Amino acid sequence: AQSVTQLGSHVSVSEGALVLLRCNYSSSVPPYLFWYVQYPNQGLQLLLKYTSAATLVKGINGFEAEFKKSETSFHLTKPSAHMSDAAEYFCAVRGGSQGNLIFGKGTKLSVKP
Amino acid sequence: DGGITQSPKYLFRKEGQNVTLSCEQNLNHDAMYWYRQDPGQGLRLIYYSQIVNDFQKGDIAEGYSVSREKKESFPLTVTSAQKNPTAFYLCASSIDFGDPLPGYTFGSGTRLTVV
Repeated sequence: AQSVTQLGSHVSVSEGALVLLRCNYSSSVPPYLFWYVQYPNQGLQLLLKYTSAATLVKGINGFEAEFKKSETSFHLTKPSAHMSDAAEYFCAVRGGSQGNLIFGKGTKLSVKP
Repeated sequence: DGGITQSPKYLFRKEGQNVTLSCEQNLNHDAMYWYRQDPGQGLRLIYYSQIVNDFQKGDIAEGYSVSREKKESFPLTVTSAQKNPTAFYLCASSIDFGDPLPGYTFGSGTRLTVV
């Protein structure tokens, strides 16, 4: 069975500060991992995905994530937060070709001016 | 441009009524999904369909029904048996249920409120 845990339901940073959103996964098979972003009253948009090609994955809007098997983590980072980054972020896992995407409960990011 | 269209964006339902949420995609995707989103609970899977004329229950299927008569369409009916239907509903699709690489494409959601 697969699962993801997102640490922190709310994260607040100042504009220009580092963004770090945490995601730990559990999977009995090599996982596929995803980060999605959701702006208010909208659907989810894919930020980036890990598919075993490279452990450091770069996505849209300056975000990146690093897959660490030893820590079962796939944390999302951005060096410098922008006001437009304020949104909710979801980590998701899928174990190989079996089953559906399993989503975490989300982390709401606030960016202070 | 290809994408997923959910309608209506806002929907109000009286107690005891059934309502149907529309989801249409022109991406030529085989698989489609319905999720329910509540604050602090993330996304929970209601139903999914791997291919036309086939669908399976997800984690919270009670009080919901679906059909998949056409590849492009996957409507969700919220029945009067659903005890707490007020939520944000998201439809998604993927190229192939067995291929996780592309991820999912999401619609913009329908917010259902019981009045």
